[in-house]
Amino acid sequence: KAGVTQTPRYLIKTRGQQVTLSCSPISGHRSVSWYQQTPGQGLQFLFEYFSETQRNKGNFPGRFSGRQFSNSRSEMNVSTLELGDSALYLCASSSGQGVLNTEAFFGQGTRLTVV
Amino acid sequence: DAKTTQPNSMESNEEEPVHLPCNHSTISGTDYIHWYRQLPSQGPEYVIHGLTSNVNNRMASLAIAEDRKSSTLILHRATLRDAAVYYCIPIQGAQKLVFGQGTRLTINP
Repeated sequence: KAGVTQTPRYLIKTRGQQVTLSCSPISGHRSVSWYQQTPGQGLQFLFEYFSETQRNKGNFPGRFSGRQFSNSRSEMNVSTLELGDSALYLCASSSGQGVLNTEAFFGQGTRLTVV
Repeated sequence: DAKTTQPNSMESNEEEPVHLPCNHSTISGTDYIHWYRQLPSQGPEYVIHGLTSNVNNRMASLAIAEDRKSSTLILHRATLRDAAVYYCIPIQGAQKLVFGQGTRLTINP
């Protein structure tokens, strides 16, 4: 079956703009989480959604937001982009209630560059 | 979130076993211990997880200490494709993966 699909794969934006990234989880998975990866901070948890509800949020400013739709697809939005938002954004999905006792499947990520 | 300590880097030879240690002394009794790895230019990939007893799958084995304060990921016969950063992640009730710095594993041909 198809894996986790993230679009777009690459994106270049200007400071101050906003961006929306999309994630399509594996069919049947209801838990979707987002991570930011930078060389300096490594992989950091952004937020996690289950059945359209945000259950967990990482330590990021309010400019970072997300949502999940009834078909489990998820989007994350970053407003008023800063240079420091340049990163690889990864989405992961998992079956059942979430990642506690099962595996998370990651997408290839969206590489965002802010100039 | 439980804190983890892993060596920054390790090196091994192809076709030899590799033992990757992780110290998680602040783990709680209900934390599952997960291992993920990230190959170059790819998203993280699940390797294995367990709670108390040792676990095996087609990729690796996970040995969990009796007091659960440490665990060891065992790759039985390393291949060049196993070169990656390996992350040990205790997970409690919160449905999230908290990645530390991980161990960068280099495999020599």
